[in-house]
Amino acid sequence: GQQVMQIPQYQHVQEGEDFTTYCNSSTTLSNIQWYKQRPGGHPVFLIQLVKSGEVKKQKRLTFQFGEAKKNSSLHITATQTTDVGTYFCAGSYSSASKIIFGSGTRLSIRP
Amino acid sequence: DTGVSQNPRHKITKRGQNVTFRCDPISEHNRLYWYRQTLGQGPEFLTYFQNEAQLEKSRLLSDRFSAERPKGSFSTLEIQRTEQGDSAMYLCASSFAGQETQYFGPGTRLLVL
Repeated sequence: GQQVMQIPQYQHVQEGEDFTTYCNSSTTLSNIQWYKQRPGGHPVFLIQLVKSGEVKKQKRLTFQFGEAKKNSSLHITATQTTDVGTYFCAGSYSSASKIIFGSGTRLSIRP
Repeated sequence: DTGVSQNPRHKITKRGQNVTFRCDPISEHNRLYWYRQTLGQGPEFLTYFQNEAQLEKSRLLSDRFSAERPKGSFSTLEIQRTEQGDSAMYLCASSFAGQETQYFGPGTRLLVL
């Protein structure tokens, strides 16, 4: 069935180091979204990618959508303690369908 | 606050009891989604509505689960004869049809003893 895989499951970095999480689907996605969930909170929408090869930036966050629209990544440059949380990708296989969440990457940071 | 709201925020129940959760979406949004999230996992799709019509249900949603959105505004999710495996966070989200961005509520945390 349709499944979105996400790695790594956990990442523990020193403050100031970079962080990347990767998302992969076995079949072509219509679009992919990224969400952040703080500990004890709910998922909060970050961004949506729709076009093949699309790259979007939000301050220190860079989001990429693969050329084949089967994979995506989120890269955070120079992490800060406020970046702590779990980052989820969520893929959609058609514009009218549900989104399927990856299992998330939990980011923790050593001050 | 014009975000998505959910009630109750926490529910403790005994196995075999029925529970009902409510979700009030952002008022202009015509799509409403229900998800279940367990510790260390991503939200798992349960069902969604466009206006009052239930358009899709997950195969994971057993017949003990039912959701309604009678007037196309708020929605309820009922779990009958709860089991310990139903313990989870139940999240509601809303969006505009055609826009994939979903706005999540704070969730209802269910504990079945």
